Amino acid sequence: DGGITQSPKYLFRKEGQNVTLSCEQNLNHDAMYWYRQDPGQGLRLIYYSQIVNDFQKGDIAEGYSVSREKKESFPLTVTSAQKNPTAFYLCASSIAGRVNEKLFFGSGTQLSVL
Amino acid sequence: DAKTTQPPSMDCAEGRAANLPCNHSTISGNEYVYWYRQIHSQGPQYIIHGLKNNETNEMASLIITEDRKSSTLILPHATLRDTAVYYCIVRVKMYSGGGADGLTFGKGTHLIIQP
Repeated sequence: DGGITQSPKYLFRKEGQNVTLSCEQNLNHDAMYWYRQDPGQGLRLIYYSQIVNDFQKGDIAEGYSVSREKKESFPLTVTSAQKNPTAFYLCASSIAGRVNEKLFFGSGTQLSVL
Repeated sequence: DAKTTQPPSMDCAEGRAANLPCNHSTISGNEYVYWYRQIHSQGPQYIIHGLKNNETNEMASLIITEDRKSSTLILPHATLRDTAVYYCIVRVKMYSGGGADGLTFGKGTHLIIQP
């Protein structure tokens, strides 16, 4: 079945450690996104990519980094510079440039700091 | 993108129609209204979108007022599985070649379906 796979479901980070969240899609979508969600809040855009080898900062990119070496994959690294990383992270994809902006989301990764 | 205002929570009896309002008084002529929902600890799910005409699909109906300053999402026969946070979003539709820059999700409305 086509879809977006995020792994792991739960992740723990130690102080000063970088961690990488995986996001893979087999929908043949050009655009991919990373969102952060804090308890009781909406989603905030971290980074997005419209095409391979290209990505742009969203509203809260500081302390995060991404890469887009393959169309199917858009990993997110939470660096030690992100001082409050505990949150629910959601990856999404869409057909870039299409008139219908439908985002398809993964099931999320809950990141916690030890 | 225009700002939206939604009630923080609503209750609805199972089997009844759930009507979720959204105000978007600053919407411009080329901005569309989108609805998504998020069941606890899952990713949001697309429901429906529209520009000015009412829209219906297998999940819901979208009613947009004539002045486009507000809209209502209607779930015709709510079930317990419809309990979720519902997000109303307005944004400019991206045309071919324009790329995509994601959607802005506010806090939404927590809809609770009562048995």
